[in-house]
Amino acid sequence: EVQLVESGGGLVQPGRSLRLSCAASGFTFDDYAMHWVRQAPGKGLEWVSVITWNSVSIDYADSVKGRFTISRDNAKNSLYLQMNSLRAEDTALYYCAKDPSGYDSNYFDYWGQGTLVTVSS
Amino acid sequence: QSVLTQPPSVSGAPGQRVTISCTGSSSNIGAGYDVHWYQQLPGTAPKLLIYGNTNRPSGVPDRFSGSKSGTSASLAIAGLQAEDEADYFCQSYDSSLSGCVFGTGTKVTVL
Repeated sequence: EVQLVESGGGLVQPGRSLRLSCAASGFTFDDYAMHWVRQAPGKGLEWVSVITWNSVSIDYADSVKGRFTISRDNAKNSLYLQMNSLRAEDTALYYCAKDPSGYDSNYFDYWGQGTLVTVSS
Repeated sequence: QSVLTQPPSVSGAPGQRVTISCTGSSSNIGAGYDVHWYQQLPGTAPKLLIYGNTNRPSGVPDRFSGSKSGTSASLAIAGLQAEDEADYFCQSYDSSLSGCVFGTGTKVTVL
């Protein structure tokens, strides 16, 4: 059974940093691209970032480009999102999502339960 | 911020058929990019419902079906059941934004 478990969320002041993690199990992690998708409270979904299986190709939404960094450790079956210069509008539930292929298929076949990031002073 | 437009809500009685539209543009759906649909039950993570415009993942009932034409796509739910009450999101890729885009979301209510 595919499992994705996010962690690392919390309350952080504007301008500070936070690092999210996603622990994957139930599939061969290093065969698949991975994404981060976020959902502001009571709002819709917003794609954040993608990383291919081998970390060669990485992409970001314009709203986070230059501030967020996605990475993965295939030996640890883990995905990460380093978030710097956080803003109030980054407040959201952050989901880790699996891509159905090793490269970016542009959709998500499994999702974690999310970790909440709240940016507030 | 959503690039794809959906009706905020649709409703139907048990057993009825409802459809949810997803309207895009020439840089996403109209450009030939696939449309995918997700179901988000209250308080839970989204779940893939339809991929590649018309395909159902294993375990998704055949009451759910997808279609695509031009710059729009639709999700149909036949034989509506109480357990179908959820938010539904369409999703595609946008070449102008160089990234995945989602619909505004539709809340389905079973009367």
